[in-house]
Amino acid sequence: DGGITQSPKYLFRKEGQNVTLSCEQNLNHDAMYWYRQDPGQGLRLIYYSQIVNDFQKGDIAEGYSVSREKKESFPLTVTSAQKNPTAFYLCASSIMYAQAQETQYFGPGTRLLVL
Amino acid sequence: AQSVTQLGSHVSVSEGALVLLRCNYSSSVPPYLFWYVQYPNQGLQLLLKYTTGATLVKGINGFEAEFKKSETSFHLTKPSAHMSDAAEYFCAVTYGAGSYQLTFGKGTKLSVIP
Repeated sequence: DGGITQSPKYLFRKEGQNVTLSCEQNLNHDAMYWYRQDPGQGLRLIYYSQIVNDFQKGDIAEGYSVSREKKESFPLTVTSAQKNPTAFYLCASSIMYAQAQETQYFGPGTRLLVL
Repeated sequence: AQSVTQLGSHVSVSEGALVLLRCNYSSSVPPYLFWYVQYPNQGLQLLLKYTTGATLVKGINGFEAEFKKSETSFHLTKPSAHMSDAAEYFCAVTYGAGSYQLTFGKGTKLSVIP
């Protein structure tokens, strides 16, 4: 079955630690996205990638970093500079970026908690 | 800047009653509009979307939405609520033409009372 997988389902971060969230898709989509979800806040865009080896900052990129070395993979690193990392993180993909009508498909999410 | 307003962070309906979830957007150009549903601790699933053409859009699970340009609205409805409809619903908008980002509303949590 085609889809998006995210791992782990739950992740715990200690003070000063960097952690990496995995996102893999087998939909052959060019565009991938990372969102952060906080209760009552909706989804906010962290980073997006239109194509391999390219990525752009979204609305709340501070304290996060990404890479896009392979079409199917778009890992997100939450760095120690992100002072309030506790949230639900969602990865998404779409066929192309520059097609506004294209549907974004979402993974199951990773919940990040701070110890 | 594009924005989406969902009226009511929490809506409760009785099983079998009409479901109405409200969404208004700000726009000076034609929008593309989406409704997503999220069950607890899961990702988002597309219910329906409006791009061009017919303004009444039918989606999965018996939901539909009508694009009303004059009211800048895209309200989601279902004639008869089912217990399995209990979830959080998000309206989202994008405009294309240089800005392809999806902007999400803050969500409406739907409770269905037996």
